Amino acid sequence: AQTVTQSQPEMSVQEAETVTLSCTYDTSESNYYLFWYKQPPSRQMILVIRQEAYKQQNATENRFSVNFQKAAKSFSLKISDSQLGDTAMYFCAFMRGSNYKLTFGKGTLLTVNP
Amino acid sequence: KAGVTQTPRYLIKTRGQQVTLSCSPISGHRSVSWYQQTPGQGLQFLFEYFSETQRNKGNFPGRFSGRQFSNSRSEMNVSTLELGDSALYLCASSKLTGGSSSNEQFFGPGTRLTVL
Repeated sequence: AQTVTQSQPEMSVQEAETVTLSCTYDTSESNYYLFWYKQPPSRQMILVIRQEAYKQQNATENRFSVNFQKAAKSFSLKISDSQLGDTAMYFCAFMRGSNYKLTFGKGTLLTVNP
Repeated sequence: KAGVTQTPRYLIKTRGQQVTLSCSPISGHRSVSWYQQTPGQGLQFLFEYFSETQRNKGNFPGRFSGRQFSNSRSEMNVSTLELGDSALYLCASSKLTGGSSSNEQFFGPGTRLTVL
């Protein structure tokens, strides 16, 4: 069974600074996908970024980028120029290639301070 | 394009009752997945439906069931409610019609179920 571990229950960052959220996973699969989701206080889950395991290039979406280290089974999220609206719970998630089930980590609560 | 909708948004039931939650996926999305979110257990996968067939099921008792209709709308049912079933129930839809990003899951706002 796959497991996803987020070792930082809470983090804080000053507005306009950069922060990195950690995620490690355990799998024996070779075909899989990794995701970061954001859940603000409204509880709406929002997809932030997606990475295919077969792609060596790290995914980037505007201020959000990942550092995907396949051998180390690590998938960290970097948020640049943090904004107050980035305050949310961030979940790392794993999906096997042929199985449309997301396995989530416990989440990291990120607070952006003015 | 409208997002995933879930009804009702809030629900209060008592132990022993049953409940039905509804999910309408994004137009054109054929896969619907359900997740339970609690403070203690986090986000847990319940089941996934595609073309009216349940393809995956999580580790939940048989009291939790679901179905999908021909228009891709989905319902989940919980019978004989227990206090521990109090949770946010999230529905997500995916296109799954090919393409590199078609397995992305887009979530609805959730149904907050409270069991008294």
